[in-house]
Amino acid sequence: NAGVTQTPKFQVLKTGQSMTLQCAQDMNHEYMSWYRQDPGMGLRLIHYSVGAGITDQGEVPNGYNVSRSTTEDFPLRLLSAAPSQTSVYFCASSYASGIAYEQYFGPGTRLTVT
Amino acid sequence: SQQGEEDPQALSIQEGENATMNCSYKTSINNLQWYRQNSGRGLVHLILIRSNEREKHSGRLRVTLDTSKKSSSLLITASRAADTASYFCATDTNAGKSTFGDGTTLTVKP
Repeated sequence: NAGVTQTPKFQVLKTGQSMTLQCAQDMNHEYMSWYRQDPGMGLRLIHYSVGAGITDQGEVPNGYNVSRSTTEDFPLRLLSAAPSQTSVYFCASSYASGIAYEQYFGPGTRLTVT
Repeated sequence: SQQGEEDPQALSIQEGENATMNCSYKTSINNLQWYRQNSGRGLVHLILIRSNEREKHSGRLRVTLDTSKKSSSLLITASRAADTASYFCATDTNAGKSTFGDGTTLTVKP
């Protein structure tokens, strides 16, 4: 199993550009999430999905869109990039085991907006 | 706002010593998890403790949970240089939605 994969690993955007960060998992997990991590800080939840066709907002959703058309894929779209979106983005997936689950993280996408 | 807060922010110890880091949170939880992040990498799950558990062990890791004080601790015994990393607690209230603290950066000197 490849686990959780993210592309690209690095990206530089100009202010106002749009792009899509890709995330895929091959573990048949129901749950997928997107986080951003700013320097010296923990992860903040952007959007998450509890299954195909179902998404919800996290703590910092503004400026980002998601969709979940398949179990495997959960792309994150930046609509109009801003310097404040410079960060490292992590995708994660998890299975449900009763009320407890652990998340599997991808390697991250390092995004710089100039 | 962050649910979990780790303490201390940074910890530096010698190889072989024990490392203890703490996590406090604000609201009721279903479970609490600890993750490790090596520099420039994604997070790796270490251990999960459910709200009805008080202590859990995994190898050199020991986690305690005190729901009355809304706090948890992670103890790493006999630390190694390879344990150098950032450690995060994450609290889970709804499935699929975890809230992470800002982490403790552990440095283990050889």
